[in-house]
Amino acid sequence: QKEVEQNSGPLSVPEGAIASLNCTYSDRGSQSFFWYRQYSGKSPELIMFIYSNGDKEDGRFTAQLNKASQYVSLLIRDSQPSDSATYLCAVNPWPGYALNFGKGTSLLVTP
Amino acid sequence: GAVVSQHPSWVICKSGTSVKIECRSLDFQATTMFWYRQFPKQSLMLMATSNEGSKATYEQGVEKDKFLINHASLTLSTLTVTSAHPEDSSFYICSARDRRDRGRAINYGYTFGSGTRLTVV
Repeated sequence: QKEVEQNSGPLSVPEGAIASLNCTYSDRGSQSFFWYRQYSGKSPELIMFIYSNGDKEDGRFTAQLNKASQYVSLLIRDSQPSDSATYLCAVNPWPGYALNFGKGTSLLVTP
Repeated sequence: GAVVSQHPSWVICKSGTSVKIECRSLDFQATTMFWYRQFPKQSLMLMATSNEGSKATYEQGVEKDKFLINHASLTLSTLTVTSAHPEDSSFYICSARDRRDRGRAINYGYTFGSGTRLTVV
């Protein structure tokens, strides 16, 4: 069983702070990694994907990947109440294969 | 950007009846459609993978005779829940792989439908 592990939270941060979300995965051969945001009752929406070790920045979001440690994280700078949602980490073992999802981390940004 | 239209967005049906969920790729051809199910407070669980023109591959524990998947064209895939029961009540989501992604060494992501909330009473 290929596992994707996330802390379920809730993670509570004040508005304007940095939110840090973490994810570990068991399949060492995984190729690409995704962060999705899911609001209650809605479908997941892609925030970022990363496939090389290191950091990748997109606006207020930074994804970090460490394949040796099998660890991927998402940093959200200047957190806003609208960022309150569940963040799903997903791992793709190979192009064309399905994504394996973690259970998600619930983030609450308080005004 | 790529869009997958999923219908219906919600449906309530009586126990024992069948329900069909459609996913259409509007501006691209989907060679592969992934069907997920999500129970409350749980993650997305892959149910099956279907390739255009081929039989679907079901995950362990998913009854293929109960969850019928048809992917007859590159723009349409359907999931039919047959003889639905209350335990089938869930959020069903499709996810499509663009035909143009074939041959790429890296997966840049798939396009998700908006989901179908099924309630069986």
